[in-house]
Amino acid sequence: EVQLVQSGAEVKKPGESLKISCKGSGYSFTTYWIGWVRQMPGKGLEWMGIIYPGDSDTRYSPSFQGQVTISADKSISTAYLQWSSLKASDTAVYYCARHQYDSSGYWIDYWGQGTLVTVSS
Amino acid sequence: SYELTQPPSVSVSPGQTASITCSGDKLGDKYACWYQQKPGQSPVLVIYHDTKRPSGIPERFSGSNSGNTATLSISGTQAMDEADYYCQAWDSSTGVFGTGTKVTVL
Repeated sequence: EVQLVQSGAEVKKPGESLKISCKGSGYSFTTYWIGWVRQMPGKGLEWMGIIYPGDSDTRYSPSFQGQVTISADKSISTAYLQWSSLKASDTAVYYCARHQYDSSGYWIDYWGQGTLVTVSS
Repeated sequence: SYELTQPPSVSVSPGQTASITCSGDKLGDKYACWYQQKPGQSPVLVIYHDTKRPSGIPERFSGSNSGNTATLSISGTQAMDEADYYCQAWDSSTGVFGTGTKVTVL
């Protein structure tokens, strides 16, 4: 059974750093793209970026390029989303998502349970 | 950047067909997929490659994509289908979600 298990909720202050995680199991972690999706309170889904753990190829949405860092440790089947300096506007639920891929494009077939990040002074 | 636009809300009576549109420039030249999200839950894939249903998704969910518009149809809508629905497509190797549509079953 494919599972994506995310780290727990975080409460941080503006300017602090943060790294949240997503551990994949039940499939070959290195052969699927895995990415992150933001959902701000009461708002829609926003695609942030993806990484291919096999070779660490990473792609970002223009909206998130330079704002966050996506990484992966294939030895422990875990993907990460990292901020160096949080802002109040980073308050959101963050989902990790396994991406399927074929010659026609990508789609998300499995989602993590979400990690709530609250940034408040 | 590429944008996908959906109507904010759609209302449907039980047993009727709900149609949700997703508009984007030359969207028909790309592949669209659709996700359902119920309150407090993670999204669930209901349609990929414009028309394909994942295993476990009821046959009442169907999709189409042509020109500038992709459409998700829910035939014989049930109360359990009340949720937010998001389209998604890919542009320049990055993903884009639609603005989302709240489906209300009256």
